[in-house]
Amino acid sequence: SQQGEEDPQALSIQEGENATMNCSYKTSINNLQWYRQNSGRGLVHLILIRSNEREKHSGRLRVTLDTSKKSSSLLITASRAADTASYFCATRPGGSRLTFGEGTQLTVNP
Amino acid sequence: GAVVSQHPSWVICKSGTSVKIECRSLDFQATTMFWYRQFPKQSLMLMATSNEGSKATYEQGVEKDKFLINHASLTLSTLTVTSAHPEDSSFYICSARSGGANPAPETQYFGPGTRLLVL
Repeated sequence: SQQGEEDPQALSIQEGENATMNCSYKTSINNLQWYRQNSGRGLVHLILIRSNEREKHSGRLRVTLDTSKKSSSLLITASRAADTASYFCATRPGGSRLTFGEGTQLTVNP
Repeated sequence: GAVVSQHPSWVICKSGTSVKIECRSLDFQATTMFWYRQFPKQSLMLMATSNEGSKATYEQGVEKDKFLINHASLTLSTLTVTSAHPEDSSFYICSARSGGANPAPETQYFGPGTRLLVL
């Protein structure tokens, strides 16, 4: 079963706007990861945030983690058409198996 | 960054045949490799976890005799779909995790996927 739930399931914005995706999880974690998947392709690792971190930046990406609410958010600033993809959060609850949320399909319109 | 390759990228086969998919970690040693399948517009579902030199651990509901996994070396794992049927058509993605410090073992690196179509 999937550990995470993401919302929204789909998000459509204009180029230049910011995109925010949320992920909730159920069990305690050591870290949470975000991945991107372009249509028909494999997953690309974007960022890992540890449980003792609250916020992390990587280029135009900003990830927050609230362990008290068991939730994380991914913010993409100044979005580009090339950011169009599915975004998944992933955790490794209690072991070695990485489990994924249902994903958010982001469409950035030029 | 760490690179994982998969071969082939797509395959079409007749029902009843077997298909082998290779997954390689190109610039790191992967003590653990994972195989996922993904149906259209759905998330990834873990099929099995394999550690180098030992038998794979299959997720509940995944037939080990149908999906044969071999992880004979630290850089290669194979998934063989035996006696494939149309319902096995899917996108199969492998993932590898380092056993050392670089890259960090918390991160899994994914192959580009293999699209299987069984006629």
